[in-house]
Amino acid sequence: DIVMTQAPLSVSVTPGESASISCRSSKSLLHSNGITYVYWYLQKPGKSPQLLIYRMSNLASGVPDRFSGSGSETDFTLKISRVEAEDVGIYYCGQLLENPRTFGGGTKLELK
Amino acid sequence: QVKLLQSGAALVKPGASVKMSCKASGYTFTDYWVSWVKQSHGKSLEWIGEIYPNSGATNFNEKFKGKATLTVDKSTSTAYMELSRLTSEDSAIYYCTRWSYWGQGTLVTVSS
Repeated sequence: DIVMTQAPLSVSVTPGESASISCRSSKSLLHSNGITYVYWYLQKPGKSPQLLIYRMSNLASGVPDRFSGSGSETDFTLKISRVEAEDVGIYYCGQLLENPRTFGGGTKLELK
Repeated sequence: QVKLLQSGAALVKPGASVKMSCKASGYTFTDYWVSWVKQSHGKSLEWIGEIYPNSGATNFNEKFKGKATLTVDKSTSTAYMELSRLTSEDSAIYYCTRWSYWGQGTLVTVSS
């Protein structure tokens, strides 16, 4: 199974500042079609996960452009610019390249 | 708009089975795989398996083979997951998802 490792476990950010979350996969997530199958989700307290970024760097519909995704074949970063109160929650990276789909352990974002 | 509406919370006894539903709307149900994801309290996301409504084809995480059964009713655009031989380890929130869209989750509590 592909192991997804996130860091840090938690991050505390001053509103208006930026935050970055890292995710590393144990295997390349680059498909032969040129697409990198890493996804980023935010789970707000008591809610279902919501898609932020798909295929490494594509912003999901309705997601503010303060969010961006980047990376290589095995190392990925979610960046949040100008953090707002509504960004609080747990962020998960996940790989949809192969079965079983797997997810990182999550990064909790809190406000200072 | 796409919606996945899941059935309500269930309290079940150890050793019993539970069947939950996920009613899809806003898109052609038979065109997209539906996955099921487990989230134990305070834990990350765990992929159980997926079903393709058009054919009924399924793929499972090895960990959940024999535990989960996935079916669909195309006439009502509803996906089902049945969990058998329940133990306390099965107490969790279960989500159906199309990866871009998620149901609200079904809380399953296993207790005598």
